[in-house]
Amino acid sequence: SQKIEQNSEALNIQEGKTATLTCNYTNYSPAYLQWYRQDPGRGPVFLLLIRENEKEKRKERLKVTFDTTLKQSLFHITASQPADSATYLCALPGYSSASKIIFGSGTRLSIRP
Amino acid sequence: DSGVTQTPKHLITATGQRVTLRCSPRSGDLSVYWYQQSLDQGLQFLIQYYNGEERAKGNILERFSAQQFPDLHSELNLSSLELGDSALYFCASSVGIAGGPETQYFGPGTRLLVL
Repeated sequence: SQKIEQNSEALNIQEGKTATLTCNYTNYSPAYLQWYRQDPGRGPVFLLLIRENEKEKRKERLKVTFDTTLKQSLFHITASQPADSATYLCALPGYSSASKIIFGSGTRLSIRP
Repeated sequence: DSGVTQTPKHLITATGQRVTLRCSPRSGDLSVYWYQQSLDQGLQFLIQYYNGEERAKGNILERFSAQQFPDLHSELNLSSLELGDSALYFCASSVGIAGGPETQYFGPGTRLLVL
């Protein structure tokens, strides 16, 4: 079955630095991958979608890469700010049903001033 | 504000009871998804409805059921509740384009506590 792996350890970085989060997946080749942000006790919020034929996508201070050979996506936040502190989830369409969106367990990011 | 509403925000009940969670999708969205999120499990997909019909099913327990009504709102019914059912339950909606990327918009969630 498909598997999504995100670094379960929290990532702590200094304000102003670039945060890089990793999402690895196995056992199939998704047509696209999404990143969401989740704050404690709140619903996830969509950030970016990248398709299999796109190597990189940017939105303001966010950048996502998608390496279908490595089966990996990297999520970067440049010039990080304390307000960027949250849990970031990657999500893929289901193998058996593209209607299902399967979420990784998320990586908690903390930006210290 | 995502445009997805969920009621109630909080629910406290006892084991063995039955509860109903309600979700109204964003205007124009035809698909509704239900997720369960507990501390040690992450976000688990339960079930999806599209325009009133069940479209995809995840690891939803037999004690749980859902439906989507003609006005597109959805209800998730949880019965014979157990302590382990305590969790945040999220509803999400999407446009529902067949074969297309499904970006989901999440509601604020219902926090269920089973005592």
